[in-house]
Amino acid sequence: AAGVIQSPRHLIKEKRETATLKCYPIPRHDTVYWYQQGPGQDPQFLISFYEKMQSDKGSIPDRFSAQQFSDYHSELNMSSLELGDSALYFCASSPFLNEQFFGPGTRLTVL
Amino acid sequence: GENVEQHPSTLSVQEGDSAVIKCTYSDSASNYFPWYKQELGKRPQLIIDIRSNVGEKKDQRIAVTLNKTAKHFSLHITETQPEDSAVYFCAADTGRRALTFGSGTRLQVQP
Repeated sequence: AAGVIQSPRHLIKEKRETATLKCYPIPRHDTVYWYQQGPGQDPQFLISFYEKMQSDKGSIPDRFSAQQFSDYHSELNMSSLELGDSALYFCASSPFLNEQFFGPGTRLTVL
Repeated sequence: GENVEQHPSTLSVQEGDSAVIKCTYSDSASNYFPWYKQELGKRPQLIIDIRSNVGEKKDQRIAVTLNKTAKHFSLHITETQPEDSAVYFCAADTGRRALTFGSGTRLQVQP
């Protein structure tokens, strides 16, 4: 079965640089979510999109933005990167009413 | 917003024993409660979920119970096996398309 695809899987950036993470949801899933997971922490909800419109917003810094495109893939744009942004970034998708399936994650390291 | 508390933070059991992980939530509007298993560096994997109109759900060795009045839900794993060792997260969703996770339980099954 098709799963959520995320790219890149690993990303190394310098402080103050920008990064773009991509997410391709499971086909026919209409909702995409972004989560940030620091070492030893639980996933923290950042933002979600339903049918290409922003659905909900969590603890996403103003330096970050995201969008969902007409083909339902989503991108998380991160600017002015800080050391504290180093984390695993997960994208999840769901077909309806909550059942979220996570992608493999992007490990971002900010040096 | 929603707050989910999870206990214990670590749990060590002998192979074949049962393991129980408990969570409480604060928002009475929450109506969906999934459980995720996460191995080190991997994605959270949905293992079982329960909705607010159901009190108990079972899938082979895994069961989840929900007490809406007390606002708590629990994960029960019977006949534990070494491959059950992982971090388990509970979560709650009010239908806002965003999961609030508990802090996680590191389960170790000793052979």
